[in-house]
Amino acid sequence: QKEVEQNSGPLSVPEGAIASLNCTYSDRGSQSFFWYRQYSGKSPELIMSIYSNGDKEDGRFTAQLNKASQYVSLLIRDSQPSDSATYLCAVTSGSARQLTFGSGTQLTVLP
Amino acid sequence: NAGVMQNPRHLVRRRGQEARLRCSPMKGHSHVYWYRQLPEEGLKFMVYLQKENIIDESGMPKERFSAEFPKEGPSILRIQQVVRGDSAAYFCASSPGAGSGNTIYFGEGSWLTVV
Repeated sequence: QKEVEQNSGPLSVPEGAIASLNCTYSDRGSQSFFWYRQYSGKSPELIMSIYSNGDKEDGRFTAQLNKASQYVSLLIRDSQPSDSATYLCAVTSGSARQLTFGSGTQLTVLP
Repeated sequence: NAGVMQNPRHLVRRRGQEARLRCSPMKGHSHVYWYRQLPEEGLKFMVYLQKENIIDESGMPKERFSAEFPKEGPSILRIQQVVRGDSAAYFCASSPGAGSGNTIYFGEGSWLTVV
């Protein structure tokens, strides 16, 4: 069974700090990795995608992928209260087109 | 800039009634996915469709649930004889093509409440 695991949190960081969100996946055939942000009562919003080992930066966000360790992370620099949300890790594998989601990590950035 | 459009946004049904949720994919997208999110839980894949074809329905409950994506018109997720456990947010998503490299975009969701 393909699984995506995330710490459910809640994770609290002070404003301006770095928030670090982690995700592990069980299927070694996984090929594409995504981070979505979901505010309460809203739909998931794509914030990062990563396909190869290493780091990918986009503004205050950095995604890190390590396929050997089956690990993907999201760093949020200079965290803002508006970053407070649930962050969902999602993975696609091989011929499967659909996303498999983790249960999400709830992040709170304290002013 | 029309994204993935879902309606109704909120739907209340009594136990035993039918619920129909509609989804129009983004322009140029021919692949549609339905996900369900129970309260305080993550998103669970239900079904993946292309025009007139169900590609993968491995996440669909065996009874009462069905989905279609006709040649013309929106994709429809149909839930017959709803029960309270069906209360959830149902998200539709679309992508332009097949393959894991295609980004999937979500609609705003349809919140079903069964009373």
